Amino acid sequence: DTGVSQDPRHKITKRGQNVTFRCDPISEHNRLYWYRQTLGQGPEFLTYFQNEAQLEKSRLLSDRFSAERPKGSFSTLEIQRTEQGDSAMYLCASSLNTGELFFGEGSRLTVL
Amino acid sequence: RKEVEQDPGPFNVPEGATVAFNCTYSNSASQSFFWYRQDCRKEPKLLMSVYSSGNEDGRFTAQLNRASQYISLLIRDSKLSDSATYLCVVNKASGTYKYIFGTGTRLKVLA
Repeated sequence: DTGVSQDPRHKITKRGQNVTFRCDPISEHNRLYWYRQTLGQGPEFLTYFQNEAQLEKSRLLSDRFSAERPKGSFSTLEIQRTEQGDSAMYLCASSLNTGELFFGEGSRLTVL
Repeated sequence: RKEVEQDPGPFNVPEGATVAFNCTYSNSASQSFFWYRQDCRKEPKLLMSVYSSGNEDGRFTAQLNRASQYISLLIRDSKLSDSATYLCVVNKASGTYKYIFGTGTRLKVLA
């Protein structure tokens, strides 16, 4: 399967714990995006990379969120000291010089 | 004002009906516009791009009105399989690849 893959698909954690999600984009895609989606809402922009450079980060993110794309390939999204309000689906997408974003199936986070 | 606004619906229409959704955007500098489709508990997928001259793909027609800053999606001869959430997507501004999604409009096509 050469699509966008995300891991883990589901994560249940206790408030205050750290979690990390991984995204492997389509191999030749230079842009990688992270979005967050809650029930009944559209995907909410978190950040995006062009190759290894993080070009933009949402002001909605507090300093508890960090994303990396160390070699311009896979990316990680870490949430420190999770809160119940962080419970959501975290979607990764990649693209190649076009506006078409190819999404992974998402990583669902539940914070207890 | 939200950057991208959509009526969340739901729009309940009978099979065979024509249905139209609008989406407004706040930044006049936006240059790229898209409609995505999201099925329940699935990831969004591109439905169609929206060009200045409009775009038609089978039963689906997308239009852009720059003066009023809105895009539209028209679905003709609705099928049961068209039931989904339709997401409007706009780039933040010219020259950026930051894409902002609307909240989505839920469509339910009834038999």
